Amino acid sequence: KAGVTQTPRYLIKTRGQQVTLSCSPISGHRSVSWYQQTPGQGLQFLFEYFSETQRNKGNFPGRFSGRQFSNSRSEMNVSTLELGDSALYLCASSLAPSGGGQETQYFGPGTRLLVL
Amino acid sequence: TQLLEQSPQFLSIQEGENLTVYCNSSSVFSSLQWYRQEPGEGPVLLVTVVTGGEVKKLKRLTFQFGDARKDSSLHITAAQPGDTGLYLCAGNRAGTYKYIFGTGTRLKVLA
Repeated sequence: KAGVTQTPRYLIKTRGQQVTLSCSPISGHRSVSWYQQTPGQGLQFLFEYFSETQRNKGNFPGRFSGRQFSNSRSEMNVSTLELGDSALYLCASSLAPSGGGQETQYFGPGTRLLVL
Repeated sequence: TQLLEQSPQFLSIQEGENLTVYCNSSSVFSSLQWYRQEPGEGPVLLVTVVTGGEVKKLKRLTFQFGDARKDSSLHITAAQPGDTGLYLCAGNRAGTYKYIFGTGTRLKVLA
């Protein structure tokens, strides 16, 4: 079974631009969560989607948004990029919503975003 | 405020040594997970503990959940170079439906 795939793997943007990242979950998984990982703040939860609905959201500004499609694929968008948005963006999929503690999250390799 | 503090932040040891990584919080968690992340990859789940005082073993790795479910430890016996990586704990607080990740421990095992 193929793992979680994320595209693109690397991305360079300039301040003020916007970016869209894509995540394809493991086949059959309906929940997708997004995380931001930086050296200073570590791994922080952005949001989780299940059955095309945002189920939970972390403490990030409204410039960070996401959506999930009927095939469970998910995209996240960051508008008006800032230097501090440079990070590794990880998505994780699970069969059901992961926050209850009983589901295993499977992470993709991430998209490394550099904002200049 | 970081809810989950890990110590040490960095650890460099020789092959064959033992080590313990700690994950501490003032909050109670309904479950806690440990992950290992290697360069260029996403974190991979090692274990989930849900009961206070629970101990789980995975080959040379021993995980313990504190009695009060506020802390956890990961002990590695006879470390090997393949254990090198970033170790992350992640806790789930009841009713929040999301995981909070710890600050991470970067382990390097030298051959």
